[in-house]
Amino acid sequence: AQKITQTQPGMFVQEKEAVTLDCTYDTSDQSYGLFWYKQPSSGEMIFLIYQGSYDEQNATEGRYSLNFQKARKSANLVISASQLGDSAMYFCAMRGSNTGNQFYFGTGTSLTVIP
Amino acid sequence: DVKVTQSSRYLVKRTGEKVFLECVQDMDHENMFWYRQDPGLGLRLIYFSYDVKMKEKGDIPEGYSVSREKKERFSLILESASTNQTSMYLCASSYRGGPDTQYFGPGTRLTVL
Repeated sequence: AQKITQTQPGMFVQEKEAVTLDCTYDTSDQSYGLFWYKQPSSGEMIFLIYQGSYDEQNATEGRYSLNFQKARKSANLVISASQLGDSAMYFCAMRGSNTGNQFYFGTGTSLTVIP
Repeated sequence: DVKVTQSSRYLVKRTGEKVFLECVQDMDHENMFWYRQDPGLGLRLIYFSYDVKMKEKGDIPEGYSVSREKKERFSLILESASTNQTSMYLCASSYRGGPDTQYFGPGTRLTVL
């Protein structure tokens, strides 16, 4: 069975500081993808970053990077130089090769950026 | 740009009513999904469809049904709405397999009184 765990219900970060949001996963698939989404208070889910299980380098997209540690089954999201607009819910998700149509989501982390 | 639209942003219904939530995507995606989102529970999959007229139950299908008569449209039906179905409903679509992400609609906040 696939499972995503986000253990931080809420996080606070000072503006311009970096923050790490934790995500661990469990899967028996050899090939899988890991995703992070942002959900502002407006409700829409915004795709941030993707990491494939066979990618050797950590994914980066602007101020977002994914700290992928395959042996530990962790895929933490790092946001550098936090901005007030980063305040939102953040969800980690996984898609396995054996369950190619289905995505599995964590329970989310609420990030608040303090001015 | 991928566009996923949902028929309503906010909906208020009464217990026992039949409720239709519609979702349309314009990217020719094979897969479409319906989730409900509740605080502290994340996104839970209700149903998904990987082709026209095909559907698969997700984690919480009880009390819901779906219809996919055309590739671009996926409807979620609450046959007899109950108060415990008050929630945010999110529709998403994706290509079948591969590294592609899901694309989400804006969500429908349903309140059942």
